[in-house]
Order: sequence, then C-alpha cells, then structure tokens
Amino acid sequence: NAGVTQTPKFRILKIGQSMTLQCTQDMNHNYMYWYRQDPGMGLKLIYYSVGAGITDKGEVPNGYNVSRSTTEDFPLRLELAAPSQTSVYFCASTRQGTTEAFFGQGTRLTVV
Amino acid sequence: KQEVTQIPAALSVPEGENLVLNCSFTDSAIYNLQWFRQDPGKGLTSLLLIQSSQREQTSGRLNASLDKSSGRSTLYIAASQPGDSATYLCAVIAGSGNTGKLIFGQGTTLQVKP
Repeated sequence: NAGVTQTPKFRILKIGQSMTLQCTQDMNHNYMYWYRQDPGMGLKLIYYSVGAGITDKGEVPNGYNVSRSTTEDFPLRLELAAPSQTSVYFCASTRQGTTEAFFGQGTRLTVV
Repeated sequence: KQEVTQIPAALSVPEGENLVLNCSFTDSAIYNLQWFRQDPGKGLTSLLLIQSSQREQTSGRLNASLDKSSGRSTLYIAASQPGDSATYLCAVIAGSGNTGKLIFGQGTTLQVKP
C-alpha cells in the first residue's frame, strides 16, 4: 500500500506566487489533516477534514485554503506566498478521529 | 489550551544503554497519546498509540506509558542501537471532540553512539 502520498517533495516559490500541495491516501480514511513544521518546532495544524465536502480550520489557517471533493484527496492551496510560509508541510490521515495517524513524506517549501 | 512539552530537546547516549524520553501535557482530558519517530528529511512514522483508558503499550524494544492524572507519558527504549538515532515526537488528541487533531511537542533528538 502507498499510504499517504504528497507531491511535490520540494518547491521554491517567489513571493506572491501561488501553488497547490497535493495529498492523496489509499486507505479509505475519512479524516485528513495538513500540518506545518518549522525548524525546532513541533507540528501545527493548518486545516483538517472529517469527510468529503467537510473542512475546518486548525491552529494556523491564514494564507491557506483546502478542499475535499473526494475521500482520497485533500489538496492545500497557498495564495500569495509569503516568506513566513517557508516550512515543511505534512499531510496525514486517520480512519477515525482517535485511531493511529499516518503521515506523508512531506513537502519542503521555500518562499524567496 | 492544551500544551505538550518534551524534555530534553536533545539526548546523546552510548549504544546498548536503556533510555527514557519524557512527554508532558497540561490538560489531562485527552483521547489518546501517540509517539512518532522522524528521521532527517523524512515524514513521521507512528511507533505507539496509547488510548486514554490504557496505561501502557509495547512494541519490541519500545514501551510507552501514560499517566493522565499527572499529565505525563514516557517512551522507554531498551538496549539502544545507532539505528534508533532520530527525533521522537509525542502528540495528544485533546478532549475537544472526536476530530483527531493532534497537538505535538517539539520533539527529542536522540543520538546513539556506536
């Protein structure tokens, strides 16, 4: 099984550009999440979804948007990229809210 | 607001030593606690999941305990090996609904020297 797959693995953006980070899972999990990890820090929740068509903000949602049109996919959209969005982004999924979380390999984003 | 703390931030031990990593959280109302391993430049790998009704979980040389009343969890690694070198993260699901939102500590970076 592929688990949680994120693309791209690396990306450099210029200030003001936009991009979409892709996340797909093949485990038929209802719950999906986007986290960011800054150097020396723990992960912080950006957005999450408890099922197709349902999304909600996490701790640090400003500057991001998400959609969940299918169970498998949960893309994260960055509009007007800023240097503060330089980070490593992780997508995760769980079958239910209190079960084991599975993470993708991450997308390392640099905004210059 | 739930906060998760891991001390120490870094730890270096000789191969073969038994060691304990610590995780503390401020609000005892949690659904579960999960320990992860993160290798440099990689994603997170789940090591152990302890439900709020459990006291400990074991997997091979790893044993995780949970004491909700004191807001603490420990990850015990027996007979450490150089391959155990990584960053270890703990995370809790706070008791604010069954949404699975994880609150992470900053991690402990472990180096096991041959």
